Amino acid sequence: DAGVTQSPTHLIKTRGQQVTLRCSPKSGHDTVSWYQQALGQGPQFIFQYYEEEERQRGNFPDRFSGHQFPNYSSELHVNALLLGDSALYLCASSPGTSGGGTDTQYFGPGTRLTVL
Amino acid sequence: GQQVMQIPQYQHVQEGEDFTTYCNSSTTLSNIQWYKQRPGGHPVFLIQLVKSGEVKKQKRLTFQFGEAKKNSSLHITATQTTDVGTYFCAGPRDAGNMLTFGGGTRLMVKP
Repeated sequence: DAGVTQSPTHLIKTRGQQVTLRCSPKSGHDTVSWYQQALGQGPQFIFQYYEEEERQRGNFPDRFSGHQFPNYSSELHVNALLLGDSALYLCASSPGTSGGGTDTQYFGPGTRLTVL
Repeated sequence: GQQVMQIPQYQHVQEGEDFTTYCNSSTTLSNIQWYKQRPGGHPVFLIQLVKSGEVKKQKRLTFQFGEAKKNSSLHITATQTTDVGTYFCAGPRDAGNMLTFGGGTRLMVKP
């Protein structure tokens, strides 16, 4: 039973570029959440996808967008990259049985994004 | 907005000593979850507490949820080098269905 997978593992971009990160949820999970974790800080919620719709969104600008596919996999897109976007981007899946608030989050290994 | 704070930010202990991290929320939580992140790794779920005053144990780890459901603690008895990592608490944000994480407590254990 595969857990949450993410690609790529590492990514280096320059300011102004755009990036797409990918996530496949744990088998049997239909809800995907994305988090940004800056060095030395806790994960910050970006948004959550369920049934191919953005269900909830954290305090992130419109430069951050996402998508969920019929197979429940998801992508995170970031446009016009800033230096401050450098972070570990974590994808987490959950079974979505209770609407997410009490669901355990199963995290993937993350994508380390460096913006130069 | 809701804030979740953890203290201490860092803790160095000698192997065998006990360790406690505290989590405080600015609002009442319906539940609280604890995660552990090893250096270079990703957060891994440890436990969820739901009831006021609830206490749960996992081997040397004891988790408590406050009576007012606004605070929680994690206590590790007789730390081992395998306990090294950052421990995060997280609670549902407002009435929504996503988690707000605390800043974490980084535990370092000297052998």
